[in-house]
Amino acid sequence: GAGVSQSPRYKVAKRGQDVALRCDPISGHVSLFWYQQALGQGPEFLTYFQNEAQLDKSGLPSDRFFAERPEGSVSTLKIQRTQQEDSAVYLCASSLARRSTDTQYFGPGTRLTVL
Amino acid sequence: GENVEQHPSTLSVQEGDSAVIKCTYSDSASNYFPWYKQELGKRPQLIIDIRSNVGEKKDQRIAVTLNKTAKHFSLHITETQPEDSAVYFCAVPRGYGGSQGNLIFGKGTKLSVKP
Repeated sequence: GAGVSQSPRYKVAKRGQDVALRCDPISGHVSLFWYQQALGQGPEFLTYFQNEAQLDKSGLPSDRFFAERPEGSVSTLKIQRTQQEDSAVYLCASSLARRSTDTQYFGPGTRLTVL
Repeated sequence: GENVEQHPSTLSVQEGDSAVIKCTYSDSASNYFPWYKQELGKRPQLIIDIRSNVGEKKDQRIAVTLNKTAKHFSLHITETQPEDSAVYFCAVPRGYGGSQGNLIFGKGTKLSVKP
């Protein structure tokens, strides 16, 4: 079946612009995660949804970052007033249920470049 | 909180040789240990995982071993091939009493397999 998809794949923004990144998880997956991956580093946690509920947003680096998943399926990560340090790949992952042993499947990521 | 350390950061082997990557973790309650492979510009893909009720798991040329007492787990790749060249990440889920948590990743190992 279809895997996790993300759009756009690439986004270039001028400093100060707002951006919105979309994630389509695998159909029926309860859990959805957003990660940020800087060049040459491992993914770092941003936020976690269980269905439509945002259970953990402790990884969001500032109040310029906002995420939502209003119907428990598609999720959007919004970054307001982008800064150069926001340049990174933003990865979305989903898993079937809510156990700590459930496999997380990743999307291809959105590469954000802030000029 | 959970801390994951991965070694080595780079590994270069001749085609046909074996490669071993090791990760240590800090939370003795951790019960799930996945390994992801990430090719340049691509999504992280799960290649093998192990749960805490077993000490070793093998899938063709790939194996993972777990030592819960010492809190480390290792990825073993035998008969390496050029297509094994990629960055490999270990990860440990941050659990909430067994419920789903985000993955905490190691810093990655860049494996190069020379023909």
